[in-house]
Amino acid sequence: GQNIDQPTEMTATEGAIVQINCTYQTSGFNGLFWYQQHAGEAPTFLSYNVLDGLEEKGRFSSFLSRSKGYSYLLLKELQMKDSASYLCAVRDVDQTGANNLFFGTGTRLTVIP
Amino acid sequence: DADVTQTPRNRITKTGKRIMLECSQTKGHDRMYWYRQDPGLGLRLIYYSFDVKDINKGEISDGYSVSRQAQAKFSLSLESAIPNQTALYFCATSGSTGTAYNEQFFGPGTRLTVL
Repeated sequence: GQNIDQPTEMTATEGAIVQINCTYQTSGFNGLFWYQQHAGEAPTFLSYNVLDGLEEKGRFSSFLSRSKGYSYLLLKELQMKDSASYLCAVRDVDQTGANNLFFGTGTRLTVIP
Repeated sequence: DADVTQTPRNRITKTGKRIMLECSQTKGHDRMYWYRQDPGLGLRLIYYSFDVKDINKGEISDGYSVSRQAQAKFSLSLESAIPNQTALYFCATSGSTGTAYNEQFFGPGTRLTVL
C-alpha cells in the first residue's frame, strides 16, 4: 500500500520562508510531485523530483531523499497569494501494474501580513 | 480557453438519481483520470483510461462507472447517487509515460451534493 504524510496546516508570515514536509512509504517509487491548490480550484503542478537532491524553480524549491522517503517544498519570499493547499503526490505502481499518482491529504498554508 | 473542462461545475441531486459528469480536453493527451476530493482525505483515484479502448478501476471505483467516448472525452456516472458521494470531483489528463514529468493537468472541478 501507499502511505503519504504531510502536516495538515501551517501558518507563515509574508516575506518569510516556509518548508512543507512530506514523508512517504510506498511499494515502489517513480517520482514525487508537488501541486498547489487554491480553495475551490484545480490543483496546479509546481515541481517534480525523481532523483535525490534539490530542484529550484524561482521562489519554489523541492527536495527529495529516496532513501529516507522524504521530500520538502520550500517557498521563499512568501506572498499573500501563496495561501493555498500544497499537495504531495507519489507516482507508484497500482494494483493493475500501471503508474499512477497517490496523493497526501495536503497542507493548508496561511500567509499572514 | 481552458485545456480541461468539466460540466456541470455544480450539481445538487437526490439520493437514487443517476448523474453524469463530463470532461473534455484539448491538450491532445491520451490519458484521462477521474478523482474525488474529500476534506481530510485528499484526492483519490476513481477510474482512469490510458486510451479510448482502455478503462481501469482506481482506488475507489465502487458506485461509479465511466465511458471514454473519444480521446478528448471521459465521462463519470453515478448510477444511483448516495449522500456519501457528496464531494468535489476532478478530471485530469496526462501524456504518455516517457516524457520527463508526465504531470497531470486538472480540470476546474465539479462540486456534487447528494441529498
